[in-house]
Amino acid sequence: AQSVSQHNHHVILSEAASLELGCNYSYGGTVNLFWYVQYPGQHLQLLLKYFSGDPLVKGIKGFEAEFIKSKFSFNLRKPSVQWSDTAEYFCAVSYDYKLSFGAGTTVTVRA
Amino acid sequence: DTGVSQDPRHKITKRGQNVTFRCDPISEHNRLYWYRQTLGQGPEFLTYFQNEAQLEKSRLLSDRFSAERPKGSFSTLEIQRTEQGDSAMYLCASSLVETREAFFGQGTRLTVV
Repeated sequence: AQSVSQHNHHVILSEAASLELGCNYSYGGTVNLFWYVQYPGQHLQLLLKYFSGDPLVKGIKGFEAEFIKSKFSFNLRKPSVQWSDTAEYFCAVSYDYKLSFGAGTTVTVRA
Repeated sequence: DTGVSQDPRHKITKRGQNVTFRCDPISEHNRLYWYRQTLGQGPEFLTYFQNEAQLEKSRLLSDRFSAERPKGSFSTLEIQRTEQGDSAMYLCASSLVETREAFFGQGTRLTVV
């Protein structure tokens, strides 16, 4: 069974700081990769996805992620965070139709 | 709102009681998924439908759990003889076969007391 590992449980940073969240997965075949975000009190929303092609993908709200096949990684980045980025972030992997999620990283941005 | 809708949002029940949750997917989506999320964890796959056919059930889904999707539209998830370990957020998601992008509802939070 595939597994997804997120490196940080809780990240605290100030506005305008850069953010990078790590994600590694265990499956060795062709995978689809996702980052979801859950703002307080809201449902999971898709930030970005990678299926194939350019390994650097851009998502909504200034987020981007880089797929590095050799490292089985799909790290999420944002150059300058805002207070409104406070949320829980989930990395997910799929090789068929169902998603396997990491445990999530809570990001707190201080004004 | 044309997103995935779940009802109820919260359910408190006594151990041993049966509960049923409903999910209304995005109307044109032919795939529907149920996930369960416990505190501090990411969602875990429970089961999945393509149209009205239930195509896979996770080992997490014990015999006390049953899911249906009559006519390929809304879906229900029933838990019989609830246990305290069933307390969790139950999430529904839907997608199109072609896009592989799942859209999630806000979930039903179940508390078994």
